Amino acid sequence: QSALTQPPSVSGSPGQSVTISCTGTSSDVGSHNRVSWYQQPPGTAPKVMIYDVSNRPSGVPDRFSGSKSDNTASLTISGLQAEDEADYYCSSHTSSDTLMFGGGTKLTVL
Amino acid sequence: QLQLQESGPGLVKPSETLSLTCTVSGGSISNTNYYWGWIRQPPGKGLEWIGTIYYNGKTYYNPSLKSRVTISVDTSKSQFSLKLSSVTATDTAVYSCARQVGWGHWYFDLWGRGTLVTVSS
Repeated sequence: QSALTQPPSVSGSPGQSVTISCTGTSSDVGSHNRVSWYQQPPGTAPKVMIYDVSNRPSGVPDRFSGSKSDNTASLTISGLQAEDEADYYCSSHTSSDTLMFGGGTKLTVL
Repeated sequence: QLQLQESGPGLVKPSETLSLTCTVSGGSISNTNYYWGWIRQPPGKGLEWIGTIYYNGKTYYNPSLKSRVTISVDTSKSQFSLKLSSVTATDTAVYSCARQVGWGHWYFDLWGRGTLVTVSS
């Protein structure tokens, strides 16, 4: 199975909003609402920021939001802060009962 | 506070079998709300799901690794394990164990710190 497609990098200034896309197929992203997003600062373990397309775990700021349209899921970070600088990965359950990650997106806060 | 800790050799020779164990502490590995997974990350690269196991032994594997992977669970020791056979340099990565939320949610809510495994002679 191939990785989900994410842009290699995005950037934004403090206070701005950025959106990271995650494109799959009708067999994964498009088949259900089991898409999640992870934040991974350098040298640390990933942390789930969004699950089931648009749900935030307790403790995750509401500046982080998720959505999905057809085979593409999106993570939007509004009111960008310096601490948001990290690598972001999407993942999706598939119709074969497997899991796929995206290639990752490096977010730079200018 | 539930914690996961990976353990195993940090260096494996090419063609040999990589073996890692994840010890779950502060909670029950038999909790029916959760599954247990292995994920790896080659240096400077992205995340790759290896596979997932339920406390009753039901497994799910990445199709691209399935022929070489075995994941098992020992509930008496609160551990689950990974074996990856016939390793090559491309299997060099940080290997992490993680708790996967069940009931069809398929996301990892708690991770171990990860352990670097290098494949080299």
